[in-house]
Amino acid sequence: DAGVIQSPRHEVTEMGQEVTLRCKPISGHNSLFWYRQTMMRGLELLIYFNNNVPIDDSGMPEDRFSAKMPNASFSTLKIQPSEPRDSAVYFCASRGLLLSGNTIYFGEGSWLTVV
Amino acid sequence: TQLLEQSPQFLSIQEGENLTVYCNSSSVFSSLQWYRQEPGEGPVLLVTVVTGGEVKKLKRLTFQFGDARKDSSLHITAAQPGDTGLYLCAGALGGAGSYQLTFGKGTKLSVIP
Repeated sequence: DAGVIQSPRHEVTEMGQEVTLRCKPISGHNSLFWYRQTMMRGLELLIYFNNNVPIDDSGMPEDRFSAKMPNASFSTLKIQPSEPRDSAVYFCASRGLLLSGNTIYFGEGSWLTVV
Repeated sequence: TQLLEQSPQFLSIQEGENLTVYCNSSSVFSSLQWYRQEPGEGPVLLVTVVTGGEVKKLKRLTFQFGDARKDSSLHITAAQPGDTGLYLCAGALGGAGSYQLTFGKGTKLSVIP
């Protein structure tokens, strides 16, 4: 079975440009998470969707960040305008119904560098 | 202030040695998870512990949840190069199915052949 699929795997962009990261969760999973990982801060939850609805976006750093989940099989994380401090690895993760366990499955990450 | 402190931050050992890494907090967790993350990949769940004092074994890996559910340890016996990676602990503050996982910064383990 396919896992969580993220794209792009790597992106280098100039400061001020718009960045869009994409995620396809595991089919049948109803929870989706966006995390950011840096050396300084570790792995941080940015936003959590349940059944395509944003439940908790308290981790979104500022208004430059936005996330959408138009349907159960697709989500985007957008940064506009991007800044060098946004450079990090962004992970998408999904989870199935709690009855099947509390296992979160991570994608391979999108490595973002803003210069 | 980091809610979950992991130690050591870095660990480099020879193949065949034993090691223990720690995950400590002042908060009480409903459950705690351990993940391993290899370079260029996302974290992969190794185990979930729920009950204070619980011990779980996964081949050469032994996980323990503290009695007070504030800390945990991971012990690896006879480490192998394939154990190399970043070991992350994550605590759930809400109920057993809580989405609110707080991650430590991890212990980066290198096992030298």
